[in-house]
Amino acid sequence: EAQVTQNPRYLITVTGKKLTVTCSQNMNHEYMSWYRQDPGLGLRQIYYSMNVEVTDKGDVPEGYKVSRKEKRNFPLILESPSPNQTSLYFCASSPYIAQPQHFGDGTRLSIL
Amino acid sequence: AQTVTQSQPEMSVQEAETVTLSCTYDTSESDYYLFWYKQPPSRQMILVIRQEAYKQQNATENRFSVNFQKAAKSFSLKISDSQLGDAAMYFCAYRSASSKAAGNKLTFGGGTRVLVKP
Repeated sequence: EAQVTQNPRYLITVTGKKLTVTCSQNMNHEYMSWYRQDPGLGLRQIYYSMNVEVTDKGDVPEGYKVSRKEKRNFPLILESPSPNQTSLYFCASSPYIAQPQHFGDGTRLSIL
Repeated sequence: AQTVTQSQPEMSVQEAETVTLSCTYDTSESDYYLFWYKQPPSRQMILVIRQEAYKQQNATENRFSVNFQKAAKSFSLKISDSQLGDAAMYFCAYRSASSKAAGNKLTFGGGTRVLVKP
């Protein structure tokens, strides 16, 4: 089954404790992105990758890092999480520019 | 930069009735795509309908249809014969058709919550 898998689905943690949200897709897609969803703001792009070892900032990259060492994986790293990063996070992938994106099921992060 | 605005935070509709969700966008590009996504309580992002800007004909998917007004930069979604399963958050989204677009980035509106009354 074609899918984008995010882990964990829920996480409660404390300020400053490094965490990683994993994202993996099994569709051999070139493009991958991370979004965060906040009430009233919709989803906003954090980082994106157009191929292995090619990543770039989206609209709200502060406080986040990503890597793309393999085509299928695109982890989101919060080196020193803060409460303003409490949000719902989505990973998405697509084969190339013109195709619809496939979304993961979301990760709810709460940073106390 | 493109922006997408959904002016209705919440809409209520009686089962079997019709509801229309508004979306306006701002762009200087001539070629782009517009989408409506549904997000039920399960949090999944489900693509409802897609419209290519170069197509004059409005897209339709079963009970869902759009009214695309390119000159007015308006893209409304009509849900006909509303069902209880239609209750969800709906997001309007824009994507550039340019090959240089940031990783196929979608720009989203703030969302409209649809409540369906039995």
